[in-house]
Amino acid sequence: NAGVTQTPKFRILKIGQSMTLQCAQDMNHNYMYWYRQDPGMGLKLIYYSVGAGITDKGEVPNGYNVSRSTTEDFPLRLELAAPSQTSVYFCASSRRTGSNTGELFFGEGSRLTVL
Amino acid sequence: QKEVEQNSGPLSVPEGAIASLNCTYSDRVSQSFFWYRQYSGKSPELIMSIYSNGDKEDGRFTAQLNKASQYVSLLIRDSQPSDSATYLCAVNDDYKLSFGAGTTVTVRA
Repeated sequence: NAGVTQTPKFRILKIGQSMTLQCAQDMNHNYMYWYRQDPGMGLKLIYYSVGAGITDKGEVPNGYNVSRSTTEDFPLRLELAAPSQTSVYFCASSRRTGSNTGELFFGEGSRLTVL
Repeated sequence: QKEVEQNSGPLSVPEGAIASLNCTYSDRVSQSFFWYRQYSGKSPELIMSIYSNGDKEDGRFTAQLNKASQYVSLLIRDSQPSDSATYLCAVNDDYKLSFGAGTTVTVRA
């Protein structure tokens, strides 16, 4: 089982460039998430999805876009990269537990630097 | 997103001692609480989940939950150098989790 797979693991962007971080899970989980983690900080939620075709904003969505066309894939798009988007990005998935989410399974992370 | 506060640390404990980590949360309706461990440069991994008031033990780890005080804690008994990591408290917020900033624990030999 691969679990949650993120690509790329590392990327350097120039200011104003765009890119897509890929995320795929093979656990048939309903819920998928994108978090960012800045040094010494916790995880901040960017976007999340409760199923194919359904996405919603988290705490820090500005500068990002997502789509969820299949259960397995949840790509994160960065438009017009800015130095403030330098961070480590984690994709995660979970299955529904009653009316709440259960344990989150994380990918290995994608380290993005914007210069 | 709901607020989750942790004692910022860093927390340094001698090998074999008990490490005590604390977390408070803002939303009384939260039902699920999690502790994640994150080694430097790695992704978070779940070590404990707790849903009911009281204590839950798993090996050297004990989670304690007090919903009336909106407080959850993690005790690490017989701390080992391999326990040196950042510990993240997480609280459910509908379909997602809100995370605290984490407490960094260093176990010194």
